[in-house]
Amino acid sequence: GQQLNQSPQSMFIQEGEDVSMNCTSSSIFNTWLWYKQDPGEGPVLLIALYKAGELTSNGRLTAQFGITRKDSFLNISASIPSDVGIYFCAGLGGSSNTGKLIFGQGTTLQVKP
Amino acid sequence: ETGVTQSPTHLIKTRGQQVTLRCSSQSGHNTVSWYQQALGQGPQFIFQYYREEENGRGNFPPRFSGLQFPNYSSELNVNALELDDSALYLCASSITGVFEQYFGPGTRLTVT
Repeated sequence: GQQLNQSPQSMFIQEGEDVSMNCTSSSIFNTWLWYKQDPGEGPVLLIALYKAGELTSNGRLTAQFGITRKDSFLNISASIPSDVGIYFCAGLGGSSNTGKLIFGQGTTLQVKP
Repeated sequence: ETGVTQSPTHLIKTRGQQVTLRCSSQSGHNTVSWYQQALGQGPQFIFQYYREEENGRGNFPPRFSGLQFPNYSSELNVNALELDDSALYLCASSITGVFEQYFGPGTRLTVT
């Protein structure tokens, strides 16, 4: 079945640094979504991408939909302590007309003040 | 605008018992999806409901079932609970044709 590989698995960075994480798949996706999850909470939608090559920003966050449609990237600029959490990529396949999101395993981000 | 709400927040059940979890979708959303998130993993799709019918199902056995009501709220029922069913159960609502899904805070189920 479809799987998403997310990397890195975890990151420990200094406040103010930029962060990059990515998600790859062996299958093509038509939609990529990026979520952030805090402990004990549900995932919060950060960015949605609908078109190959699309680059979308949301404040300090920028995400890209890979040209091959098999990958996506999320960048966070000038990290701050509240960026701490688990970041998930999620893809929606082209053959499905249901909302079956396929999630990656997550990237845990820790920010040192 | 009211977001997605779920109840209860936490639940402890014994193996073999049955459980019902509830979800109210975000205002204006007509589609509800349920996910299971084991500790340290990403959410796994259980099923989706639209127009009170199941509209897609993940790799979960029939003892996982659901309902959607005319007001778009939804229930997830799990029969014959197993220890491996211990997880965070997430509900997400969306508008049909729009792929962005908005999650509730989840219900933490512990099976002992």
